[in-house]
Amino acid sequence: AQSVTQPDIHITVSEGASLELRCNYSYGATPYLFWYVQSPGQGLQLLLKYFSGDTLVQGIKGFEAEFKRSQSSFNLRKPSVHWSDAAEYFCVGSGGYNKLIFGAGTRLAVHP
Amino acid sequence: NAGVTQTPKFRVLKTGQSMTLLCAQDMNHEYMYWYRQDPGMGLRLIHYSVGEGTTAKGEVPDGYNVSRLKKQNFLLGLESAAPSQTSVYFCASSYSLAGGRRGQFFGPGTRLTVL
Repeated sequence: AQSVTQPDIHITVSEGASLELRCNYSYGATPYLFWYVQSPGQGLQLLLKYFSGDTLVQGIKGFEAEFKRSQSSFNLRKPSVHWSDAAEYFCVGSGGYNKLIFGAGTRLAVHP
Repeated sequence: NAGVTQTPKFRVLKTGQSMTLLCAQDMNHEYMYWYRQDPGMGLRLIHYSVGEGTTAKGEVPDGYNVSRLKKQNFLLGLESAAPSQTSVYFCASSYSLAGGRRGQFFGPGTRLTVL
């Protein structure tokens, strides 16, 4: 079955530190992959997406993600975290057709 | 351009009551979706629509009904609310099915509590 797994429920980093949020997917073929961010009390905002081609994709707010087929991973990274990055992050896959498959989310806390 | 809007933002119901959540989008999107978000489970698709007058079941459709009478609106109804339907509900819309290359655009959510 298609699935998206985010192994880390909560992550805490210090402001200015680097960040990596993990995501693993299970699909029969290469899926479309997305990262969304949800700030407290807000809807979801698209950070970046991968469809094909270059495996390192750049997104908004200084985020990037790397698609690694051999590891079935699509990890999100940021070199220097800001306090405003505290939010919940969702890795999402689409096998096409009608539905997105959401990971359970990783809640990021940023210490000053 | 307001994007995707949802009304109401908050609602408290008693078991057995009914209500309708309204989603509106001004981006001329064909596709619209209703999700529910529960702790530790990400978002799960309730129903979706591929165009005016059409609807289809998602992953967790039981206890909900939807209608898409106008392209810009997608209504989610609870005929007889149950405590298990306490959740945050998100509406989304997109240019192409499942979002395609542009992803889906999400509303701010409706927090529903059923007592």
